[in-house]
Amino acid sequence: DVKVTQSSRYLVKRTGEKVFLECVQDMDHENMFWYRQDPGLGLRLIYFSYDVKMKEKGDIPEGYSVSREKKERFSLILESASTNQTSMYLCASSPPGVGNTEAFFGQGTRLTVV
Amino acid sequence: KNQVEQSPQSLIILEGKNCTLQCNYTVSPFSNLRWYKQDTGRGPVSLTIMTFSENTKSNGRYTATLDADTKQSSLHITASQLSDSASYICVVSAWGGGNKLTFGTGTQLKVEL
Repeated sequence: DVKVTQSSRYLVKRTGEKVFLECVQDMDHENMFWYRQDPGLGLRLIYFSYDVKMKEKGDIPEGYSVSREKKERFSLILESASTNQTSMYLCASSPPGVGNTEAFFGQGTRLTVV
Repeated sequence: KNQVEQSPQSLIILEGKNCTLQCNYTVSPFSNLRWYKQDTGRGPVSLTIMTFSENTKSNGRYTATLDADTKQSSLHITASQLSDSASYICVVSAWGGGNKLTFGTGTQLKVEL
């Protein structure tokens, strides 16, 4: 079974803290993604990566950065957490190529910034 | 701008009944469309994929249809079960631009006794 594992299910952080969300996949997928999911807005792409040390901005990258030092691990960093970053964060991975590829999602991390 | 719209936003049905969820998209050039099921507190899981040449595809009690001309898809659930209670998300992929996906906001389905 494909497995995408996010390090935490729930996190509570204070405003201004630096926050790390970790994601590991065991399918040797080239592509990895970070989304946030908010009620009424659906999933929105923050950053994605096609390869190690490669990253591209998604639709809402402001306030976030990412790191991909190893193929299986993709980290999302909130440099200085703010209350408007309270959300559900979903990591996904997919094999390379365009077209008929399926994104496999982790369980999600529900982050609350107080 | 690529967009995916789903209706209804939420739906409550009785166990054993059928229902149909709708998805309209304006994603170009179209590659494929997937329906995902997301249980509460979990990540989305793919139910079915539709490519340009496919009109209908079934996965157990789930049947997806695609009309590429009108850019509409539907997900029909037959003989609903309590475990069908979830959010159903329509996701459309465009050729090019890597594997960026356009997500609908989902239909929240609740199946009651």
